[in-house]
Amino acid sequence: DAGVIQSPRHEVTEMGQEVTLRCKPISGHDYLFWYRQTMMRGLELLIYFNNNVPIDDSGMPEDRFSAKMPNASFSTLKIQPSEPRDSAVYFCASTRGGEQYFGPGTRLTVT
Amino acid sequence: AQSVTQLDSQVPVFEEAPVELRCNYSSSVSVYLFWYVQYPNQGLQLLLKYLSGSTLVKGINGFEAEFNKSQTSFHLRKPSVHISDTAEYFCAALKTSYDKVIFGPGTSLSVIP
Repeated sequence: DAGVIQSPRHEVTEMGQEVTLRCKPISGHDYLFWYRQTMMRGLELLIYFNNNVPIDDSGMPEDRFSAKMPNASFSTLKIQPSEPRDSAVYFCASTRGGEQYFGPGTRLTVT
Repeated sequence: AQSVTQLDSQVPVFEEAPVELRCNYSSSVSVYLFWYVQYPNQGLQLLLKYLSGSTLVKGINGFEAEFNKSQTSFHLRKPSVHISDTAEYFCAALKTSYDKVIFGPGTSLSVIP
């Protein structure tokens, strides 16, 4: 298996622009998690899905953030409009129970 | 509420010396416990996990951890560290198989030549 796939690996954008991060979980995994990691706040859970349904989005910081999982093999995290304080590494992880498998992350820089 | 504490934010240690990274969890129910490692500019990788059974768990790269229910601890140890062990280490707990994992704040291990 290729593991959890994220794209793009790096994204540089200007404040106010829309940003879309993508994730392909491991086949057969029914849970998908989105995390954000910064030096100041560490690793934060933003939202997670079970069988494509959002279960807990209490970690989503603002209405500017939204996430979807249209099918079992694809999820997106969208930020609209983006702000400099959104700069971070965003990780996607999947599991079918127990330990999570992480993607390589997307490093987002908003200027 | 469940929480995971890692008492040391940074641990410097000389090469070939032993190391222990501390982790404590709070939970009123049985938990599953994990240690993850994050190398620079990479995602998190599972080092080892405790689900049940023997309280001493061995993982990859020579690491091991011991589950201590009475002290609610799951400390990570390695008898002799290498330069390549320099990384961020996260302890995590899961209340049931199908729940969100709670991560600790991480411990930065720096191995000094």
